[in-house]
Amino acid sequence: AQSVTQPDIHITVSEGASLELRCNYSYGATPYLFWYVQSPGQGLQLLLKYFSGDTLVQGIKGFEAEFKRSQSSFNLRKPSVHWSDAAEYFCAVGSNAGNMLTFGGGTRLMVKP
Amino acid sequence: GAVVSQHPSWVICKSGTSVKIECRSLDFQATTMFWYRQFPKQSLMLMATSNEGSKATYEQGVEKDKFLINHASLTLSTLTVTSAHPEDSSFYICSAKEGAGGQPQHFGDGTRLSIL
Repeated sequence: AQSVTQPDIHITVSEGASLELRCNYSYGATPYLFWYVQSPGQGLQLLLKYFSGDTLVQGIKGFEAEFKRSQSSFNLRKPSVHWSDAAEYFCAVGSNAGNMLTFGGGTRLMVKP
Repeated sequence: GAVVSQHPSWVICKSGTSVKIECRSLDFQATTMFWYRQFPKQSLMLMATSNEGSKATYEQGVEKDKFLINHASLTLSTLTVTSAHPEDSSFYICSAKEGAGGQPQHFGDGTRLSIL
């Protein structure tokens, strides 16, 4: 069975500081990996995805993530956080058919001015 | 592109009524649509997967007679919460996927359902 762990429930960073959100997954085959962001009371927006190829993927809003198979990780990074980045972030792993998405518990990001 | 519209965004109704939530893919054909439930400060829990023209596949523990899903076209899926009770109050989110393979799911903005 596939599973996703986001070890940090809450993270607070200062505006302009760098950010890394951790994601570890468990999956028997090559995973399809996603990061989504959710603002309060809204749905999820896709930030980036990894299927194959280059292990460093670029996403929207200046985010990037690196797939490390040896560590079963897919951490999300941003070099300089903006106040508008405050939201809930979800990492997800999908099967090769892409139908079944398993979400991590989410990390709530707060940004200090 | 890849916009999913969910309606209504918020609904309040009395216990015992049925509520229908619509999920539409606006600019693509969704071969598969998904319905999730999200409790406050928690992650998303998949309720069911539906493919156009066939019966939905429900996750374990989800009552199919309680949560009726219809995926009548490639752009529309509906979730009907029948005889809703306060414990059905939650945030319901749909998503849609275009084509087969590892295409990402695109999410609607969710529906907040409050049962009095």
